[in-house]
Amino acid sequence: AQSVTQLGSHVSVSEGALVLLRCNYSSSVPPYLFWYVQYPNQGLQLLLKYTSAATLVKGINGFEAEFKKSETSFHLTKPSAHMSDAAEYFCALLGSNYKLTFGKGTLLTVNP
Amino acid sequence: KAGVTQTPRYLIKTRGQQVTLSCSPISGHRSVSWYQQTPGQGLQFLFEYFSETQRNKGNFPGRFSGRQFSNSRSEMNVSTLELGDSALYLCASSIGVAQRDEQFFGPGTRLTVL
Repeated sequence: AQSVTQLGSHVSVSEGALVLLRCNYSSSVPPYLFWYVQYPNQGLQLLLKYTSAATLVKGINGFEAEFKKSETSFHLTKPSAHMSDAAEYFCALLGSNYKLTFGKGTLLTVNP
Repeated sequence: KAGVTQTPRYLIKTRGQQVTLSCSPISGHRSVSWYQQTPGQGLQFLFEYFSETQRNKGNFPGRFSGRQFSNSRSEMNVSTLELGDSALYLCASSIGVAQRDEQFFGPGTRLTVL
């Protein structure tokens, strides 16, 4: 069985502050992990992905994530938040059955 | 290259009716997956089609069905609509050959059941 847990349904940061969104996973096979962003009334846009190559993955818009097998984590970070980063973020696990399993999502608010 | 397109973008139906949603994948992609997104349950996998065959299915009742055509376009159908079927339905396409090809999402169809 596979599962994804995102810690914190809502994270609020000030503009210019560090963004840290947490994701832990459980998988019986080596995981492929993804972070998606969703803006209101839109679909999901891929931010970055881990597919068993480098453990530190860089994505679009200045985001990056580090895969830590020992901690079963794949946390998303950005050094300096921008107002345009306000959105909902989803961590997802792609198992061996063509199916993406998503976390519940974290709503990021950026305060001026 | 055009992205994944979904039609219609918005739908309003009443309980007991049925509805058909359409998804056109990225050119060259042969796999189409469907997901339901609700505030309470989040994003849940409905089913996945590859080369007109359903390869995987989530835990939804039989009222939810789908199909894929020879050009890889896919439709999903929900019969006997219930209030709880109100959701954003997302379609994703991938090349589909390897089990873990990246999935690309469409903008979704917002279904409201009254």
